[in-house]
Amino acid sequence: KQEVTQIPAALSVPEGENLVLNCSFTDSAIYNLQWFRQDPGKGLTSLLLIQSSQREQTSGRLNASLDKSSGRSTLYIAASQPGDSATYLCAVMEYGNKLVFGAGTILRVKS
Amino acid sequence: DAGVTQSPTHLIKTRGQQVTLRCSPKSGHDTVSWYQQALGQGPQFIFQYYEEEERQRGNFPDRFSGHQFPNYSSELNVNALLLGDSALYLCASSLAGYLENEQFFGPGTRLTVL
Repeated sequence: KQEVTQIPAALSVPEGENLVLNCSFTDSAIYNLQWFRQDPGKGLTSLLLIQSSQREQTSGRLNASLDKSSGRSTLYIAASQPGDSATYLCAVMEYGNKLVFGAGTILRVKS
Repeated sequence: DAGVTQSPTHLIKTRGQQVTLRCSPKSGHDTVSWYQQALGQGPQFIFQYYEEEERQRGNFPDRFSGHQFPNYSSELNVNALLLGDSALYLCASSLAGYLENEQFFGPGTRLTVL
């Protein structure tokens, strides 16, 4: 059974810092990995999707990497801003288009 | 281009009642998946519908059932509600036949069971 773990569970940083969120998964037989952002009480916004054949994806200040063999992914956020404060969720896609999620990292960026 | 929409936004029910949640997929998508997100946890996969049939199911009891209509919209039904069914219910849409496709999520329906 696939298990996804995110570390740390919560993170508080001053504005302007670069930060790294970690995600690990137990079964490397995945089709892709997605990072999502969730604001309190809201739905999920897709940030980055890394196909199983890729090593990384970048969008603006965000960069995500994937190492399938070791079952790890990282989300790097450059020059953090207060508007980045949210919960960040990592999810792996298994056979049949089913996503398995981690519990998330709650990020607070202080101004 | 309309994204994934869900209704209602919020719902309050009492134990033992039944509830129906609705989802319209993103334009061009034909597959709908439902997820349950309890407070402080990541979403859990309930089931997925494609071509009006349940294609995959997660570890949820038969009290949870669904339906997909010819226009690809979908309903999630929960019978005999329990306090533990209180959660944010998320709908996601995607395009079948493309294994590495991105899933797009709706804003969710917040269900409170009293």
